[in-house]
Amino acid sequence: DAMVIQNPRYQVTQFGKPVTLSCSQTLNHNVMYWYQQKSSQAPKLLFHYYDKDFNNEADTPDNFQSRRPNTSFCFLDIRSPGLGDAAMYLCATSRDRRGYEQYFGPGTRLTVT
Amino acid sequence: AQKVTQAQTEISVVEKEDVTLDCVYETRDTTYYLFWYKQPPSGELVFLIRRNSFDEQNEISGRYSWNFQKSTSSFNFTITASQVVDSAVYFCALSEAIGNNDMRFGAGTRLTVKP
Repeated sequence: DAMVIQNPRYQVTQFGKPVTLSCSQTLNHNVMYWYQQKSSQAPKLLFHYYDKDFNNEADTPDNFQSRRPNTSFCFLDIRSPGLGDAAMYLCATSRDRRGYEQYFGPGTRLTVT
Repeated sequence: AQKVTQAQTEISVVEKEDVTLDCVYETRDTTYYLFWYKQPPSGELVFLIRRNSFDEQNEISGRYSWNFQKSTSSFNFTITASQVVDSAVYFCALSEAIGNNDMRFGAGTRLTVKP
């Protein structure tokens, strides 16, 4: 059974049109992460939630926002997608931040036209 | 600052060959954690192993084995008798316990196993 679920798997949006990606987990983990991964690159951490505490990476553009309404769900909002935001977006969870392995969802591939 | 280096960008082997993926890391923390992940063409990163800095014992899991050496700051991954299904991108990652405990990934090594 899938433990980290991402919807949709593929998303096409227009330049400048807001888009929301969703992630849910059945692991009851405290921490949820969003990563951006471009072709042939390592995943790049955008931000994470430790319970309800939001932690933004210093170089994450303001165009990217996140919400975590409850333990199970986390959303990634891209307010005005640009062509450079086309990528795979990966959601991950872990029991805690310090040294615990992360479990990843299948990702959402975002295309910006 | 923490850093993970996977010098091998791409490796190609023929099925049944053994292959070793290298990982070298840098950290100032004395307590840290090392990981390997597999990313098959489907895209989902799959957790393979976690090691803490106080456990240098090598580990074997089926055809997979890991060699952790603090003296050389390396955490290498060997696949024995490789199979086509092992074709994927493999990422090594580091998380510090006291410093930056975000997981930092290496650039990844793309392994292609040919039949």
